[in-house]
Order: sequence, then C-alpha cells, then structure tokens
Amino acid sequence: EAGVAQSPRYKIIEKRQSVAFWCNPISGHATLYWYQQILGQGPKLLIQFQNNGVVDDSQLPKDRFSAERLKGVDSTLKIQPAKLEDSAVYLCASSLGLAGGSETQYFGPGTRLLVL
Amino acid sequence: GNSVTQMEGPVTLSEEAFLTINCTYTATGYPSLFWYVQYPGEGLQLLLKATKADDKGSNKGFEATYRKETTSFHLEKGSVQVSDSAVYFCALLPSSNTGKLIFGQGTTLQVKP
Repeated sequence: EAGVAQSPRYKIIEKRQSVAFWCNPISGHATLYWYQQILGQGPKLLIQFQNNGVVDDSQLPKDRFSAERLKGVDSTLKIQPAKLEDSAVYLCASSLGLAGGSETQYFGPGTRLLVL
Repeated sequence: GNSVTQMEGPVTLSEEAFLTINCTYTATGYPSLFWYVQYPGEGLQLLLKATKADDKGSNKGFEATYRKETTSFHLEKGSVQVSDSAVYFCALLPSSNTGKLIFGQGTTLQVKP
C-alpha cells in the first residue's frame, strides 16, 4: 500500500514570495491533515479536512495561508506572502476518517521550507 | 487546555542499555495516547498507542502504559539498538476526538555502539 506522498521535499524561497505544497493521501482515506513542525518543536495542526470539507482550521494563519482539497483527494497548502517564521517542515497526514475511535494518522515525509 | 510535556533531550545511551523517555499530559476526560518516531530524513511513524487507562501499548520491543492517576505515558525499551536512534514524540488525541493530535516537543535518542 502506498503511503502519503508529498512534494516538493525541499523548498528555499525569499520572504514575501509565495510557495505551494502538494499532498496525496493514502487511497481511501477521508481525513487529511496539514501540520507545521518548527525546528525543535512537535508538529502543530494547521488544518483538517474531512473529504473536501474543512473540519478545523483554527490555527491556520488565514491572512497568508490557504489550503484546499478539491474532489476530496489531493490537497495543496499555499503560503502567500511567506515570512521568515514560516521556515519549518510541513507534514501531511491522512486517516480513514471513521466516526469515533482513536484511529491512526499516517504521515508523509514532509516538505522542508526555508524562507530567507 | 490540552498539552503534552516530554523530557528534554538529547538522550544518549550505549547499545543494549535500558531506555525511558518520560511523557506527561494535561487533558480533560480520557484522551488516547500515542508515541510516534521520526527517523532521520523520514516522516513520523506510529510506534504504539493506548486508548484507555491501564492499557499497555507495545511494538518493536517498546512499551508504554497509560497511567491516568499520574497522567503519564512513559516510553520504555529494555535493550536499545543503534537503529533506534531517532526523535520520539508523545502525543494525545483529546476525548472529543476531533482528530487534532497534540504533540510534545520531541526527544532525540542517540544510541552509540
């Protein structure tokens, strides 16, 4: 079974530029998550989708970050314009999306962003 | 609010030594608890989990017991190997089960031959 795919793996941009990350979840997984992991910290949830609807985006900086999940499969996360403090690893995860329970989230390899 | 606190790293051990990585949490109700591992250059992988008090999660020689009375979920392994060198994250899923994992800051383990 293929895992969660992410691209690109690395990205270097200058501040005020824009950048986009792509995620392809495990086939059949209804729930998709984007996390931000700053160096030395644990991942922090940015946004959660259930199919193509947003479940939680309370910690997404909406003035510069946006995300979409068209057709309930692939997702893109965009930053525009980027700031120095956006330098981090952006992790995508997916889960089956079953109601209730404590289901496992499966993580992709992440995209490492450096903003100069 | 919900939070997870892990012991500071890095933890450096010799091969075959006993490992403990402490994890305590703050949460209302009965969260589910997880340990994830991140090997160099790779994504997070679920190592083990426990969903209710006194449950013991185990995998690859690692164990952790969900202690409600001490709000802890310490990770242990009897004999570590060089290949266990990685960053370990303790996490909780609130009992509201919105899917939002709350992670600790991670503990780096270095195992020397």
